[in-house]
Amino acid sequence: QVQLQESGPGLLKPSETLSVTCTVSGGSISGYYWSWIRQPPGKGLEWIGYIYYSGSTNYNPSLKSRVTLSVDTSKNQASLKLYSVTSADTAFYYCARSGIAVAGFFDYWGQGSLVTVSS
Amino acid sequence: QSVLTQPPSVSGAPGQRVTISCTGSSSNIGTGYDVHWYQQIPGTAPKVLIYVNNNRPSGVPDRFSASKSGTSASLAITGLQAEDEADYYCQSYDSRLSGYVFGTGTKVTVL
Repeated sequence: QVQLQESGPGLLKPSETLSVTCTVSGGSISGYYWSWIRQPPGKGLEWIGYIYYSGSTNYNPSLKSRVTLSVDTSKNQASLKLYSVTSADTAFYYCARSGIAVAGFFDYWGQGSLVTVSS
Repeated sequence: QSVLTQPPSVSGAPGQRVTISCTGSSSNIGTGYDVHWYQQIPGTAPKVLIYVNNNRPSGVPDRFSASKSGTSASLAITGLQAEDEADYYCQSYDSRLSGYVFGTGTKVTVL
């Protein structure tokens, strides 16, 4: 059974860089697209972007200038970096898997990593 | 910024049928992109409920069904049960954004 596990910093100060890693177990990171999706507490879902196992990426235009996604196939991990965070970036950060680049769906999700931005 | 609009809440008594609408536009659902639905029980991650318009993963009861027409889609829950209390999200792809989009989310309450 494929499992995704996010690990993040928990608490950040404004202007710092958010870094969350997603470790995939029970399956290979190869052959799939790995998306990052966030959800402010009590609010809806926002797609941040995806990375293919080969390294190609696609970002949400609203976050593109502050986001970098990467993948390490040797560790079966995908990573998210979000720069210059503000309180508006406080959210649960989920990684999720999809099989295709366009119009796919997310069949496996991690449990989420809550990142709080506060001075 | 959600480009797919859902009603904030729907409710029904046990056994009743409820529907959740998901309204998009010509750059997403209206283009013909598939619509998928997720169920999120409070405190947990979303899980796929319906994929590619009206397909259920194994383990999802056939009480859940979905449809799509024009620039909208809908999810129906028949024979509503207490365990169906959750938030529901639609999801598709948007050609204008060149990326994935989610609905605003709907909270289902079982009276």
